[in-house]
Amino acid sequence: QEQLQESGPGLVKPSETLSLICTVSGGSISSYYWSWIRQPPGKGLEWIGYIDFSGITNYNPSLKSRVTISIHTSENQFSLKLSSVTAADTAVYYCARVPVATYFDYWGQGTLVTVSS
Amino acid sequence: QSALTQPASVSGSPGQSITISCTGTSSDVGSYNYVSWYQQHPGKAPKLMIYDVSNRPSGVSNRFSGSKSGNTASLTISGLQAEDEADYYCSSYTGSSTPIFGGGTKLTVL
Repeated sequence: QEQLQESGPGLVKPSETLSLICTVSGGSISSYYWSWIRQPPGKGLEWIGYIDFSGITNYNPSLKSRVTISIHTSENQFSLKLSSVTAADTAVYYCARVPVATYFDYWGQGTLVTVSS
Repeated sequence: QSALTQPASVSGSPGQSITISCTGTSSDVGSYNYVSWYQQHPGKAPKLMIYDVSNRPSGVSNRFSGSKSGNTASLTISGLQAEDEADYYCSSYTGSSTPIFGGGTKLTVL
C-alpha cells in the first residue's frame, strides 16, 4: 500500500518561494500521476496541479504562473514550488496519488505552511 | 473555473439515510463520469469514498453509494453511524483536464 509523506518548512515569508517534497513509499513513483492539493484553514480543498511519471505537468489555471511541480524518480519523490507567496497561500498542503488523472486515492497526512513575516 | 456547489451542511439521525448533492455544469459533472467523493474528519487527510460516480474503493463500506443525473452528482449514506460525521467533498474532472472540488458539506449525526 502506498504511503505519502510531505516535508518542508512550516513558515515562509511573504514574497518568498514555498518548497515542499512528497516522499512515496510502498510503491514506485514511476507510474501514475502525482498531485498537490491545499486547504486553507477552515476552508475547502483546492487542486494545485499534477505531474506524471514522465514529467508532464498540468496546473490549476489560477496558480499556473507561480507553480512548478517536479518529479525525482531516483528518490521516489516529487516536489512543489510556489513563488511570490502571500498570506492567502497559508494552508495545509497535501500530496496525493492520482491513478488515472480523475481521482485521488492515496493522500499524505498534510503539512501546514504559514506565510508570515 | 468555479467550484462545484454542495450544501453547507446536512444532518441525520443514526440509522437514517442522507444524500449530499454536488452540482456542476455541462463542462464538468454533466460531461464526464469522473465524479469522486472524499470524507474528511477534523485534522485528518481526505479519504476517497467513491470514484467514477459510483465505484467504491476496496475497504469502503457499502453504506456509501454514488450516482449522477445531468449536472448533479449525489452521495448517499445509508444506515447513518456516528463515525460518518465528517466533512464531505465532491470532485469532478473537467474539459480542461483539470479536477475541481466542491465547497464541502458538513455532515452532523444527531
